[in-house]
Amino acid sequence: GENVEQHPSTLSVQEGDSAVIKCTYSDSASNYFPWYKQELGKRPQLIIDIRSNVGEKKDQRIAVTLNKTAKHFSLHITETQPEDSAVYFCAWFHDSSNTGKLIFGQGTTLQVKP
Amino acid sequence: DTGVSQNPRHKITKRGQNVTFRCDPISEHNRLYWYRQTLGQGPEFLTYFQNEAQLEKSRLLSDRFSAERPKGSFSTLEIQRTEQGDSAMYLCASSLANYMQETQYFGPGTRLLVL
Repeated sequence: GENVEQHPSTLSVQEGDSAVIKCTYSDSASNYFPWYKQELGKRPQLIIDIRSNVGEKKDQRIAVTLNKTAKHFSLHITETQPEDSAVYFCAWFHDSSNTGKLIFGQGTTLQVKP
Repeated sequence: DTGVSQNPRHKITKRGQNVTFRCDPISEHNRLYWYRQTLGQGPEFLTYFQNEAQLEKSRLLSDRFSAERPKGSFSTLEIQRTEQGDSAMYLCASSLANYMQETQYFGPGTRLLVL
């Protein structure tokens, strides 16, 4: 099936705290898992991605972990800042001979309080 | 600006009218995608092209929707006989699909309001 469940739907943290968003997917053939950040009225922007041949990837304050057995992947933001406030979407991608689409989660609205 | 561009950025139309949106992908990208996003939801896949070939269409894409990418560069999405339920943000994305390169870059979107 084509499904991504994303939790939580809203997340409020104090500046400096960590934020974790988790997604569960349904297709075991998935091989690429991006995370997008979307600010109000703007385009989704890729912030980090992970491919199925690794379990973790880190880029400064942002990290993504992947558990293929459990079919879930998570976004971790450390030392949050007010400018991290946005909607975050997870997605998965399954590239077969004729399928190139991203399936997106429902989004998590992150609010970082100064 | 070498990113994905979309025109128009906003479109207000009356129910029953036809509308057409344009997407210009990043120049060397061979894959082009259309998504629709409604308020509070993630983007939903509509259709995608590899070069000029339309390889998949979502069940969301009714007969009133048609997309083209005639020369494998820019793409157009047309909605005929618009309905109020078509009101949404229409996003275009492009990617350079080769091994280990599936990153999709999104355009700014066209926000459609059907009155």
